Amino acid sequence: QKEVEQNSGPLSVPEGAIASLNCTYSDRVSQSFFWYRQYSGKSPELIMSIYSNGDKEDGRFTAQLNKASQYVSLLIRDSQPSDSATYLCAVNDGSGNTGKLIFGQGTTLQVKP
Amino acid sequence: DTEVTQTPKHLVMGMTNKKSLKCEQHMGHRAMYWYKQKAKKPPELMFVYSYEKLSINESVPSRFSPECPNSSLLNLHLHALQPEDSALYLCASSREQGDNYGYTFGSGTRLTVV
Repeated sequence: QKEVEQNSGPLSVPEGAIASLNCTYSDRVSQSFFWYRQYSGKSPELIMSIYSNGDKEDGRFTAQLNKASQYVSLLIRDSQPSDSATYLCAVNDGSGNTGKLIFGQGTTLQVKP
Repeated sequence: DTEVTQTPKHLVMGMTNKKSLKCEQHMGHRAMYWYKQKAKKPPELMFVYSYEKLSINESVPSRFSPECPNSSLLNLHLHALQPEDSALYLCASSREQGDNYGYTFGSGTRLTVV
């Protein structure tokens, strides 16, 4: 059973702080890793993708990947109340070109003004 | 046009009803997906279509029947559903099945079975 693990939270940070969200995955063959943001009652929104070891920055977001440790993280700098949402880590199913994404349970982030 | 459009946004149906969910994209994508998301759970894959042919069925009960009439349109036909089928149904598309660049979800259809 391929798994993606996230701490469900809630993770609470003050406005302006750095929020750090973590994810581990079990399938060593996976090559693509994604972070989705989901507001309550809405559909998931793709905010970051990462394919190579190291860091990838996009605005206030930085994704970090360590394939040897099977670990992917998302840092949100200068957190805003509008960042309060559930963040889903997703990993591609490495067994063939299925297109299937395997999601973690999600981490709820609360940014307090 | 970079959107995946789903209709209706909300649907309430009885257990004896037949209804359909619709998904449309005009990005020229050749793979389309149905996911189901229950409250406070992550999305789970139901079906994958590639070049208008069913590629993956994740052992979904036959009361859910997908259809891909053309490369832009994906339907999900619902019949004799149970209350536990109440969920957010999400459609997504990608350039090719397994291109692994992630995909954009539609806004979803929130289904309630009574």
